[in-house]
Amino acid sequence: DTGVSQNPRHKITKRGQNVTFRCDPISEHNRLYWYRQTLGQGPEFLTYFQNEAQLEKSRLLSDRFSAERPKGSFSTLEIQRTEQGDSAMYLCASSSKTGPTYEQYFGPGTRLTVT
Amino acid sequence: GQNIDQPTEMTATEGAIVQINCTYQTSGFNGLFWYQQHAGEAPTFLSYNVLDGLEEKGRFSSFLSRSKGYSYLLLKELQMKDSASYLCAVRVRSGGYNKLIFGAGTRLAVHP
Repeated sequence: DTGVSQNPRHKITKRGQNVTFRCDPISEHNRLYWYRQTLGQGPEFLTYFQNEAQLEKSRLLSDRFSAERPKGSFSTLEIQRTEQGDSAMYLCASSSKTGPTYEQYFGPGTRLTVT
Repeated sequence: GQNIDQPTEMTATEGAIVQINCTYQTSGFNGLFWYQQHAGEAPTFLSYNVLDGLEEKGRFSSFLSRSKGYSYLLLKELQMKDSASYLCAVRVRSGGYNKLIFGAGTRLAVHP
């Protein structure tokens, strides 16, 4: 168990470009979540996968955002035509379907800066 | 709507005790979590309450009152490394699924 990993850790891009982030959850976890966090705020829920199925998407997730988890393992989050307001930390978390608390384990995040 | 309130900042002295409060108004309540987040790092799980009462875990304790929509995190014997943000998060069940709603976090500064 190596924990949740995310790549890249930092991404600087110009407005209008597309970016893609990757999340590798803890191997036995079937649930995967994406959050966005801006400075001084708590994480905001973006979307949730159970295995390969995307079960919920926040209204925060505009049409420019898409997430996939093709084989129920790693997940990608793509932002098309980035805007300066997309600058944030993007956090991925995973949890197990067993256990008393089902707590979410977070990855280190990808910090996106849109210039 | 869903709302979680916690103080923005707190300061405390090394070795002391500090209590961080959290109030929430949510529908579909299904548990309350506290996470610790050091600057630039991922949140890490501290505690979980789903029933009323106190859960103790070493230097950290968390309390929940569901009727009052209130929780607190108690940190004892403060250490400098406890300087971090503390996030209160409510798990809500909606549409058959659980999700976490986070407060903005309380930034705790521990000084000598």
